[in-house]
Amino acid sequence: AQTVTQSQPEMSVQEAETVTLSCTYDTSENNYYLFWYKQPPSRQMILVIRQEAYKQQNATENRFSVNFQKAAKSFSLKISDSQLGDTAMYFCAFTPPGAQKLVFGQGTRLTINP
Amino acid sequence: GEEVAQTPKHLVRGEGQKAKLYCAPIKGHSYVFWYQQVLKNEFKFLISFQNENVFDETGMPKERFSAKCLPNSPCSLEIQATKLEDSAVYFCASSQFRKAYEQYFGPGTRLTVT
Repeated sequence: AQTVTQSQPEMSVQEAETVTLSCTYDTSENNYYLFWYKQPPSRQMILVIRQEAYKQQNATENRFSVNFQKAAKSFSLKISDSQLGDTAMYFCAFTPPGAQKLVFGQGTRLTINP
Repeated sequence: GEEVAQTPKHLVRGEGQKAKLYCAPIKGHSYVFWYQQVLKNEFKFLISFQNENVFDETGMPKERFSAKCLPNSPCSLEIQATKLEDSAVYFCASSQFRKAYEQYFGPGTRLTVT
């Protein structure tokens, strides 16, 4: 079975600090996509960043970057210069090739304190 | 439209009643996905469609859940004889053909079964 594990149920940092959220996954596939989604209290799912497994270069989107370690099946999200608006649930997700569906981790509740 | 639309926003049903949720995918998107997010924040994939055809229904509790995507109509997810454990937020997502890795989520429908 393909699974995604987020081992940090909750995290809290001060504004402007850097925070890293962890994610590991399990698959026997070689090609796939990995994602981080943000879910603020409004419940809207917002795609933060996407990584294609066949690309070795880590994806970045402004203050958000990932550390993709394919051999270790690890996909962590780093948020630099954190802002109050980053407070949300963050979900790591994985798409098995051809499966056309997302497999989500349990989520990490991130709080940015002023 | 440019966004995935879901109606209603909130739905309250007594146990045993029927619930019907609707989703209008982004115009031009040929894939539709339904996910269930229970109160513990866990996401569960329910079903996906390629146009009006079921693509993957491995997550559907078939005895009470059904779904359709008919031409020129919003997609629907119907729960017959709702149970307390059906209380959740139901998300619809859509994507372009061969781009299931790029899913756009609707705002969700919160179903409360009392």
